[in-house]
Amino acid sequence: DIQMTQSPPSLSASLGDKVTITCQASQNINKYIAWYQQKPGKAPRLLIRYTSTLESGTPSRFSGSGSGRDYSFSISNVESEDIASYYCLQYVNLPYTFGAGTKLELK
Amino acid sequence: QVQLKESGPGLVQPSQTLSLTCTVSGLSLTSNSVSWIRQPPGKGLEWMGVIWSNGGTDYNSAIKSRLSISRDTSKSQVFLKMNSLQTEDTAMYFCARGWGSYWGQGVMVTVSS
Repeated sequence: DIQMTQSPPSLSASLGDKVTITCQASQNINKYIAWYQQKPGKAPRLLIRYTSTLESGTPSRFSGSGSGRDYSFSISNVESEDIASYYCLQYVNLPYTFGAGTKLELK
Repeated sequence: QVQLKESGPGLVQPSQTLSLTCTVSGLSLTSNSVSWIRQPPGKGLEWMGVIWSNGGTDYNSAIKSRLSISRDTSKSQVFLKMNSLQTEDTAMYFCARGWGSYWGQGVMVTVSS
């Protein structure tokens, strides 16, 4: 199984900050990584697929990059509505596997 | 508009079998796969398994011996059955299109006597 090591587990930011979350795969995942936002009591919402393709409705302050084993997800100009948990997912090989998550809080 | 909705019992006794249904709309099960994913309270996400558009299935090896996914294309429904439930199976259970492009709202399942 491909392991996804996501960091940091938690993040404290001020409104307007830029934050970055990373996921490292245990093997090359050929850019097949997605990023989700999850708010309490809700299903995860897909923000980005295939490393950097924004879903319809995803604000442009969200971005993704990476290749091989190393990937990152950023939010520029953090807004209050961005306070949530974020997860990466590799979907190149079964079983699909998620990172452990990053909880974004307001400083 | 693609929609998925999970349904099933909220409480299951230990050692019993869990049966969940995912009802889809706005997509065809004969041209889309559906995954099941779960999330224990306060914890991360675990991919459980998938039923492909051709009806074939793949499961997470960690739970493969206890899990079965099937479907009724005429009713646009996908089913999850998992036996020998334990308290560690208490979780929110989600169905999702494909690898996870669209998700249902989830259904909370508590395993307790």
